[in-house]
Amino acid sequence: AQRVTQPEKLLSVFKGAPVELKCNYSYSGSPELFWYVQYSRQRLQLLLRHISRESIKGFTADLNKGETSFHLKKPFAQEEDSAMYYCALKRGSTLGRLYFGRGTQLTVWP
Amino acid sequence: NAGVTQTPKFRILKIGQSMTLQCTQDMNHNYMYWYRQDPGMGLKLIYYSVGAGITDKGEVPNGYNVSRSTTEDFPLRLELAAPSQTSVYFCASSYPEFYEQYFGPGTRLTVT
Repeated sequence: AQRVTQPEKLLSVFKGAPVELKCNYSYSGSPELFWYVQYSRQRLQLLLRHISRESIKGFTADLNKGETSFHLKKPFAQEEDSAMYYCALKRGSTLGRLYFGRGTQLTVWP
Repeated sequence: NAGVTQTPKFRILKIGQSMTLQCTQDMNHNYMYWYRQDPGMGLKLIYYSVGAGITDKGEVPNGYNVSRSTTEDFPLRLELAAPSQTSVYFCASSYPEFYEQYFGPGTRLTVT
């Protein structure tokens, strides 16, 4: 079985502070990991995926297979980063099916 | 290019009533999905489809049915609504080879 855990339901930081949204997973195979984001009054959308190893809007995430984690990081948070963030896992063998964590609501104060 | 559209946006049902949630995408995606999101929880997959005429169950299929007669449309049917089906329902679509899922705006359903 697979499980995605986001331990923080709410996270608040001040503008310019570093931010880290935690994601841990359990899966015995080789997963693909994603971060999806939902800004206020917008649709859920892909932020980044681990296989791309890219930085989007200043966010990065590294897959740590030893710690089974895929934490999302940004060195200097901005007010426009305030949103709901979901970590999601795709099992290597399943076509497109995603398993989501419960989400972390990030608030960046001015 | 509207992407993924869902109707209705909101609906209140009485216990035992039936309804169909509509989902349409104009991106010619083969894969389509239905998720539900309960308060404070992540999205859970109800059903998915890999192409017209092909559907399969996800994690929480009980109480729902789907059909996929065209590439564009993937309706979700609730036959006998129950309070446990009160949730926000999201439809999504993707190309199989890219796996990025494009989401609709959601339907908020309340069963009383």
